[in-house]
Amino acid sequence: GAVVSQHPSWVICKSGTSVKIECRSLDFQATTMFWYRQFPKQSLMLMATSNEGSKATYEQGVEKDKFLINHASLTLSTLTVTSAHPEDSSFYICSARESQSSNQPQHFGDGTRLSIL
Amino acid sequence: AQSVTQLDSHVSVSEGTPVLLRCNYSSSYSPSLFWYVQHPNKGLQLLLKYTSAATLVKGINGFEAEFKKSETSFHLTKPSAHMSDAAEYFCVVRGFNSGNTPLVFGKGTRLSVIA
Repeated sequence: GAVVSQHPSWVICKSGTSVKIECRSLDFQATTMFWYRQFPKQSLMLMATSNEGSKATYEQGVEKDKFLINHASLTLSTLTVTSAHPEDSSFYICSARESQSSNQPQHFGDGTRLSIL
Repeated sequence: AQSVTQLDSHVSVSEGTPVLLRCNYSSSYSPSLFWYVQHPNKGLQLLLKYTSAATLVKGINGFEAEFKKSETSFHLTKPSAHMSDAAEYFCVVRGFNSGNTPLVFGKGTRLSVIA
């Protein structure tokens, strides 16, 4: 089946640093990728949607300059949390789909736990 | 807009007894609905999905869900709970966002299974 790999699975860093999270589709080409954020004991909130080669579409309330998304190839999307602060600590999950068609399933990575000290 | 409401934030059952996790949806269109499970500090696993075919959908690990349009419900059931079923369960609807149709998650129901 389709596999989405997220790296790193867990990262701890100091306040003020920038952190990059990678999301790769291993055995399919992901035209569309989604980034979600999950606070402890809460649901997943969609942050942004990215289509390969285009600028990401951010959900209302998500700062695009804070959360930089790059989807430069059909197998890789990156989320960079710039100048991270403790309030950015969260579980980030990416998801990938083979095309923009809603008929295609959405495959999820295992998530990245980000802790900012 | 598409949305789902999970009616219980926490459900506790004894091992071997039935499981019922409730979900109601709101959709202007014929919805695509899903149930996902998330074990602690893990990603998401798809249990089952409804995409306008059979209204009774069978999924993995003995779970099933029934789409009831008249009740706008998509409840998840399992005849007999196992300890390994303890996890967080999300009811999900496919949304519409400028044509990208991302998945929109409910708030989740934590299932506890008591030995």
